[in-house]
Amino acid sequence: DAKTTQPPSMDCAEGRAANLPCNHSTISGNEYVYWYRQIHSQGPQYIIHGLKNNETNEMASLIITEDRKSSTLILPHATLRDTAVYYCIVRVFHGSSNTGKLIFGQGTTLQVKP
Amino acid sequence: DVKVTQSSRYLVKRTGEKVFLECVQDMDHENMFWYRQDPGLGLRLIYFSYDVKMKEKGDIPEGYSVSREKKERFSLILESASTNQTSMYLCASSLRTGRLLNYGYTFGSGTRLTVV
Repeated sequence: DAKTTQPPSMDCAEGRAANLPCNHSTISGNEYVYWYRQIHSQGPQYIIHGLKNNETNEMASLIITEDRKSSTLILPHATLRDTAVYYCIVRVFHGSSNTGKLIFGQGTTLQVKP
Repeated sequence: DVKVTQSSRYLVKRTGEKVFLECVQDMDHENMFWYRQDPGLGLRLIYFSYDVKMKEKGDIPEGYSVSREKKERFSLILESASTNQTSMYLCASSLRTGRLLNYGYTFGSGTRLTVV
């Protein structure tokens, strides 16, 4: 299973861009990178995912390096409500069932400060 | 709006009791998952199901069983609750991999179970 490495914590000033890095050097060619976040006392929330190309949606942007060994989640204008634990996950495909279970690491605790 | 609903937000049970945690999704998802979350250990996969009546063990299945009689419902069963099963339990669902519009998992809000 591909594993991910994230810094345990980061701070960001409100209104500034938050750039959250993730290393996944053992990722396989058909494995997607997913980002989730978990706000205190809630279930994890899907943010974005990608395979090779950079992706953008209403929540964030995902930049994946050309060799796919690392990625960066960008929250362009962080707000206090973005304070959460952010998980970078590589989706593992499970044999014939093709379930693609997600294995969560420890994540990065992002603290957005006024 | 898509939803995964867990029947209880908080639950207190006694050691040795049989405990049922229920999860219902309204998105017609094939896959459903049960995780537990503990401080310092993150989210760990207990069981998952990719179809009705199908189930597979995750990373920590010991002490748990599951039931999926209908597509929308996935139950986690603690046959004889123990204090080390005190935890936050999270249910999730997803479309089967390979289908279009696969946006990953949708999680419920969690059930905080305390076994005394």
